[in-house]
Amino acid sequence: GQNIDQPTEMTATEGAIVQINCTYQTSGFNGLFWYQQHAGEAPTFLSYNVLDGLEEKGRFSSFLSRSKGYSYLLLKELQMKDSASYLCAVRPSSGGYNKLIFGAGTRLAVHP
Amino acid sequence: DSGVTQTPKHLITATGQRVTLRCSPRSGDLSVYWYQQSLDQGLQFLIQYYNGEERAKGNILERFSAQQFPDLHSELNLSSLELGDSALYFCASSVRGDSSYEQYFGPGTRLTVT
Repeated sequence: GQNIDQPTEMTATEGAIVQINCTYQTSGFNGLFWYQQHAGEAPTFLSYNVLDGLEEKGRFSSFLSRSKGYSYLLLKELQMKDSASYLCAVRPSSGGYNKLIFGAGTRLAVHP
Repeated sequence: DSGVTQTPKHLITATGQRVTLRCSPRSGDLSVYWYQQSLDQGLQFLIQYYNGEERAKGNILERFSAQQFPDLHSELNLSSLELGDSALYFCASSVRGDSSYEQYFGPGTRLTVT
């Protein structure tokens, strides 16, 4: 089966660092995406990992360990506008090239 | 603004009815994806088209169908609507058909079935 797990909610303080974890079990693996989604709006792309290791992009970094079926999204220097849901999505290697499987998302609340 | 457009923004209709949602991908993108997002189920992949042809299928109900036209816009048809079909429907597009590139999401159509 296909399963992606993320914490449902997290809270953090403005200026701090937060790590959002994602574990997955899918029929094959062909890449992992992180998307940000503000309430009622469209998801927007944050990062893509297909090889093990850390990808850094400004205040956002994403890490992947394929052997552990594990990824995390690291947000540094948190700002109030980072309050949103963060969606982890895996591209399995079977079932069509583009069948992204999304986790339920992690709702992050940033407080002053 | 992702460059993906969807119409209408909101749709309210009754059970048993049929509706059509429309999506125009970003200029140059050949691939279109449809997703359903309801409160209790998160973002669910429905179907993908690439350059007019169906490429991948998710948990799309038989009451739902889609197509991609020669100008690359896509339509999602939902028929015999039920209360449980109330959700946000997103369209996304990407350059290629193999998802190694990010997908750009449109603003969504909020469907309410009463």
